[in-house]
Amino acid sequence: EIVLTQSPATLSLSPGERATLSCRASQSIYSYLAWYQQKPGQAPRLLIYDASNRATGIPARFSGSGSGTDFTLTISSLEPEDFAVYYCQQRSNWPRTFGQGTKLEI
Amino acid sequence: EVQLLESGGGLVRPGGSLRLSCAASGFTFSNYAMSWVRQAPGKGLEWVSTVSASAGTTYYADSVKGRFTISRDNSKNTFFLHMNSLRAEDTAMYYCAKDRDIVPTTNFDYWGQGTLVTVSS
Repeated sequence: EIVLTQSPATLSLSPGERATLSCRASQSIYSYLAWYQQKPGQAPRLLIYDASNRATGIPARFSGSGSGTDFTLTISSLEPEDFAVYYCQQRSNWPRTFGQGTKLEI
Repeated sequence: EVQLLESGGGLVRPGGSLRLSCAASGFTFSNYAMSWVRQAPGKGLEWVSTVSASAGTTYYADSVKGRFTISRDNSKNTFFLHMNSLRAEDTAMYYCAKDRDIVPTTNFDYWGQGTLVTVSS
């Protein structure tokens, strides 16, 4: 099973700042990494797939990069609605796995 | 508009069974793989199971293999998760989720609002 490790566990920033979230895989997953955003009481929302492709309707301030084992989600300038929990997920191998999440807080 | 509506959750005793359903609308259901993802209270996301568009192929997390069965009825735009031998650790919100592409990816672009399963005596 591929283990995804996200860091940091919690990131404290202010609106307007830049956020950088990390996801590291226990073995190469090529570019088969997605990022999701989840707000309290809501279902997750797909942000990025295949490492760097924004999903439909996702604002341009969200970007993804990386390949192999190291991946990054960057939010260029935080909006108030961006404070949430972010998960990475791999689709390289079965079983599909998620990271443990990064909480982005104000 | 794509909509996914789960039902069937509830309180069940350890060792019991439940069947979750997910009714889909707003897209050509028979073209897409569908999945279940769960989230224990206060915890992260866990992929549970995926069924291919034709229902010919299924995949399971090790934690549920042999106890859960995923299936679908393309004539009714609905898919299911049959859960047997339930354990306390199966307590979670269960989300149904749609694949983002006709070519299976197990990236999930639409999710239901979830149905809560509680396993307790």
